[in-house]
Amino acid sequence: QQQVKQSPQSLIVQKGGISIINCAYENTAFDYFPWYQQFPGKGPALLIAIRPDVSEKKEGRFTISFNKSAKQFSLHIMDSQPGDSATYFCAARVSGGYNKLIFGAGTRLAVHP
Amino acid sequence: DAMVIQNPRYQVTQFGKPVTLSCSQTLNHNVMYWYQQKSSQAPKLLFHYYDKDFNNEADTPDNFQSRRPNTSFCFLDIRSPGLGDAAMYLCATSLGGQGVHEQYFGPGTRLTVT
Repeated sequence: QQQVKQSPQSLIVQKGGISIINCAYENTAFDYFPWYQQFPGKGPALLIAIRPDVSEKKEGRFTISFNKSAKQFSLHIMDSQPGDSATYFCAARVSGGYNKLIFGAGTRLAVHP
Repeated sequence: DAMVIQNPRYQVTQFGKPVTLSCSQTLNHNVMYWYQQKSSQAPKLLFHYYDKDFNNEADTPDNFQSRRPNTSFCFLDIRSPGLGDAAMYLCATSLGGQGVHEQYFGPGTRLTVT
């Protein structure tokens, strides 16, 4: 089944803390796992992405951890800032074809000063 | 700056009155996508164009149609909007072909149906 489950639905973190968002999938025909950040009234923007042959990818304060055997991946935001407050979507690309993405339901992150 | 542009940003239409949303891109990407995003939900792919080839998702209602007159423009037509069609409509583009290609999203058009 082509589905990506994301948790938690919402998250409140203090400034400087670590934000962790988790995603899980069942379909093994996914070959690319991007995370998108969406601010209110804006379209999603690619934040960071990982391929399934890599267990971790770090870009600045953002890290993706990927567990292929468990079919789980997560986003860690280190030193969270109020400007990180947004909705985060994990996604999975269906291999082959036309770059189709299956999105998780989203996590609304609020970073309090 | 190369970008994906959507017009209008806000659209109000009446129940059953046809409406057209537009998307243009300066990225020269050959794939264009239309997503529907309801409040607090994930974007849901409606259909996409790969060059001139139209590809409908299996669960996209017939009420939704699309046109792509050229590489730069793509339109979403809702023939008879219902109250359940109120949503944010997102246009995205990407390169096609072999390999993974990032999707670039426009800012969206928020559709209200009265």
